[in-house]
Amino acid sequence: GAGVSQSPSNKVTEKGKDVELRCDPISGHTALYWYRQRLGQGLEFLIYFQGNSAPDKSGLPSDRFSAERTGESVSTLTIQRTQQEDSAVYLCASSSKMMGLAGGLSRTQYFGPGTRLTVL
Amino acid sequence: GENVEQHPSTLSVQEGDSAVIKCTYSDSASNYFPWYKQELGKRPQLIIDIRSNVGEKKDQRIAVTLNKTAKHFSLHITETQPEDSAVYFCAASIVGNQGGKLIFGQGTELSVKP
Repeated sequence: GAGVSQSPSNKVTEKGKDVELRCDPISGHTALYWYRQRLGQGLEFLIYFQGNSAPDKSGLPSDRFSAERTGESVSTLTIQRTQQEDSAVYLCASSSKMMGLAGGLSRTQYFGPGTRLTVL
Repeated sequence: GENVEQHPSTLSVQEGDSAVIKCTYSDSASNYFPWYKQELGKRPQLIIDIRSNVGEKKDQRIAVTLNKTAKHFSLHITETQPEDSAVYFCAASIVGNQGGKLIFGQGTELSVKP
């Protein structure tokens, strides 16, 4: 089936503008994660959603960053009043619920292609 | 919070040689350790992972070892090929019934010279 998709693939914006990034997880995946990857660096965790539980927002770098998720589908990451240091690739990942007696979530996170954000 | 250190940052080997990348983590509660490969301009792809109740796992030319006491884990690639050239990231996570965020190392750029 289709993998994780993200849009737009590239976004160029001016400092101070707001941007919205979209993620469509793999169908049926209950957990959705957002990460940020600055040029030449590792991935930084931002936020994750799992079902009806409160999202884990512990990685959001400031109150300019927020994210929403509609049920177990699309998520949007919003960055308000963008700054040049927000320039990065924003990656979304999803994981499924394990079947069987153990329940819980599969550990494997599948990544989308990312949105490259450039703040001028 | 969890912190993951990864070494080396760059690694160059001759085709056919082995490559080893090492990571250490800080949170002893971490129970899941995946390795991702990222080619230039592409998304990270999982290549192998290990859970905390296992000491070693192999998949063809790739193996991962975990030392919980020392809180470190390593990726071993044998018989390297030019197509193994990429950036490799280790990660650590505390995975429960609600999933778990991945804390990544800074990456190792592997170059395999033909």
